[in-house]
Amino acid sequence: AQSVTQLGSHVSVSEGALVLLRCNYSSSVPPYLFWYVQYPNQGLQLLLKYTSAATLVKGINGFEAEFKKSETSFHLTKPSAHMSDAAEYFCAVTTDGSSNTGKLIFGQGTTLQVKP
Amino acid sequence: DTAVSQTPKYLVTQMGNDKSIKCEQNLGHDTMYWYKQDSKKFLKIMFSYNNKELIINETVPNRFSPKSPDKAHLNLHINSLELGDSAVYFCASSPAGTSGTYEQYFGPGTRLTVT
Repeated sequence: AQSVTQLGSHVSVSEGALVLLRCNYSSSVPPYLFWYVQYPNQGLQLLLKYTSAATLVKGINGFEAEFKKSETSFHLTKPSAHMSDAAEYFCAVTTDGSSNTGKLIFGQGTTLQVKP
Repeated sequence: DTAVSQTPKYLVTQMGNDKSIKCEQNLGHDTMYWYKQDSKKFLKIMFSYNNKELIINETVPNRFSPKSPDKAHLNLHINSLELGDSAVYFCASSPAGTSGTYEQYFGPGTRLTVT
């Protein structure tokens, strides 16, 4: 069974500082990994996805993530935080199992606060 | 054009009532999902349909019944609402395996409040 752990339920950075949101996964088969962002009172928006092509994945709004199989990690980074990045971030995993349902297993979420 | 839409956006009702939430996607995907987000923002899968066939049915009370009249629509009916049903319900759609893609696209959510 798959699982996702996001380290740090709350991360606070200053505007212009590096953003690092941590995600570790557990999967017995090659995973597909995703980062989603949720702004207040909105749905989830896909930031980026890893689907076994390049290990460094670039997404929208300047975010990127690196898949590290040896560390079972998929951490999300952004070089310079902007006030508009303040939101809830979710890491998620699915696999290409025989059932092929694409069910997403989500981490607990990390609230990103950006201070001026 | 809204890719995944849900109605209503807000739903306030009393315990014991029956209510429905509707979802529509115009992405041409075969697979749709219902997720529940609790007060701590934890997201959990409830149901999934692939081309009108139920493929995921997690441990959800049988007061919850999904219905998919066609592959572009997935509705959620809830009978005898309880206080613990208060949450945000998200609909999502996905190509789910087509060409190796599994990302899901989410609707704006329906905030259900049971009083």
